[in-house]
Amino acid sequence: KQEVTQIPAALSVPEGENLVLNCSFTDSAIYNLQWFRQDPGKGLTSLLLIQSSQREQTSGRLNASLDKSSGRSTLYIAASQPGDSATYLCAPKRRETSGSRLTFGEGTQLTVNP
Amino acid sequence: NAGVTQTPKFQVLKTGQSMTLQCAQDMNHEYMSWYRQDPGMGLRLIHYSVGAGITDQGEVPNGYNVSRSTTEDFPLRLLSAAPSQTSVYFCASSYRQSPLHFGNGTRLTVT
Repeated sequence: KQEVTQIPAALSVPEGENLVLNCSFTDSAIYNLQWFRQDPGKGLTSLLLIQSSQREQTSGRLNASLDKSSGRSTLYIAASQPGDSATYLCAPKRRETSGSRLTFGEGTQLTVNP
Repeated sequence: NAGVTQTPKFQVLKTGQSMTLQCAQDMNHEYMSWYRQDPGMGLRLIHYSVGAGITDQGEVPNGYNVSRSTTEDFPLRLLSAAPSQTSVYFCASSYRQSPLHFGNGTRLTVT
C-alpha cells in the first residue's frame, strides 16, 4: 500500500523567501505525481503534474522535481507571496489505468507573512 | 467552464437517514472519484469509476454506494448515515493523463 509523507506539516515564512516542500512515498512504481493547492474551505487545485519519465516540471514561480527511485518529490516556491498561503498536497498515481485514484499526503500548511 | 460541480455544499443529517451527494462534470472526463477529507487522515478514496457503467471500491467504501449511468454524473449515496461519516466530501475527475480536477466539496455533519 502506498504511503505518502509530507514534511514539514506546517511552515511560516516572511514574504520573499524561497522555500522547499518535501514529499516522500513508499512505492516507487508510480505513473505520475501531482502537486495540489488547497485554500481553506475549498477544493484542491492542481499545480503541477510530473510524469514518471520526467525529472522536473515548472510553472511560473513553482518548480517540482521527482526522484522516482528514491521515492521523493519536492516543490520549490520562489519569491513567496502572501497569496501563496494555502495547504499544499502531493499525490502519486500508481498506474495509468487507475483512473483518478490517487494517494494523498496530509499536506504542508504554508503561511507567508507580509 | 463549470468544471466539477458538487451539490449540496452543506448538509446536516440525523443518524440513520440516507441521502445522495451529487457530482457532475462537463469536461467529458472518463475518470471520476469520490474522496473524503478528515483532519489528521488526509484525503481517502471512497469509490471511483473509469467510465460509464464501471465502478470500483476505494480505500473506505463501507456505508457508501455509487453508480455511473452517464459520463457526466457520479452520485454518492449514503445508505444509513452514521456520525463517523461526518466529513468533507470531494468529487474529482480527469481524462487519462490529465491533472485531476476537484469540486468545491460537500461538508456533511451527521448528528
